[in-house]
Amino acid sequence: DIQLTQSPSFLSASVGDRVTITCRASQDITSYLAWYQEKPGKAPKLLIYAASTLQSGVPSRFSGSGSGTEFTLTISSLQPEDFATYYCQQLNSYPFTFGQGTKLEIK
Amino acid sequence: QVQLVESGGGVDQPGRSRRLSCKGAGFTFSTYGLHWVRQAPGKGLEWVAVISYDADRTYYADSVKGRFTIARDNSRNTLYLQMNSLRPEDTAVYYCARDVDGENYYGMDVWGQGTTVTVSS
Repeated sequence: DIQLTQSPSFLSASVGDRVTITCRASQDITSYLAWYQEKPGKAPKLLIYAASTLQSGVPSRFSGSGSGTEFTLTISSLQPEDFATYYCQQLNSYPFTFGQGTKLEIK
Repeated sequence: QVQLVESGGGVDQPGRSRRLSCKGAGFTFSTYGLHWVRQAPGKGLEWVAVISYDADRTYYADSVKGRFTIARDNSRNTLYLQMNSLRPEDTAVYYCARDVDGENYYGMDVWGQGTTVTVSS
């Protein structure tokens, strides 16, 4: 199975900051990577798919990049509503797997 | 509007069976791949299974393979997850989710509200 490792696991930042979360795959997953945002008590929300395609309705401050084994999610200017947990997921090989999550907290 | 609504959660003893349902509305159900994803209390997301738009292909996480079965009835716009031989570690909120693409799997853009399954003696 493909393992996804997110770093950092916890991130403390302020409104207006630029933040980057990294997702590393244990083997090549080409561009079959998605990013989700999760808030307590709510279903996850798709932000990015195919590594860099912004899902419809998602603010342009979110962006994704990478291919192969290393991927990043960048939030260009943090807004109060962005404090949440973020997950990457690979859909290149079965079983599809998620990273362990990155909790983004307010500094 | 586009939505998925799960039902069927509850409390079971280990070894018992349960079937979850997920009804879709507001989109052409029969043209999308569909997933089940779960989240144990205080834990991260775990992908469980996927079924192709035509039900021809199904795939499972290792943790549920041989115990869970994903199925769909496109005439009823409904997705199912049959869970057998339940274990305490199956305790989780179960979400159904639609893939963003109809032919390939790229990510899940529509999610249900989740239904809770608790397995305990």
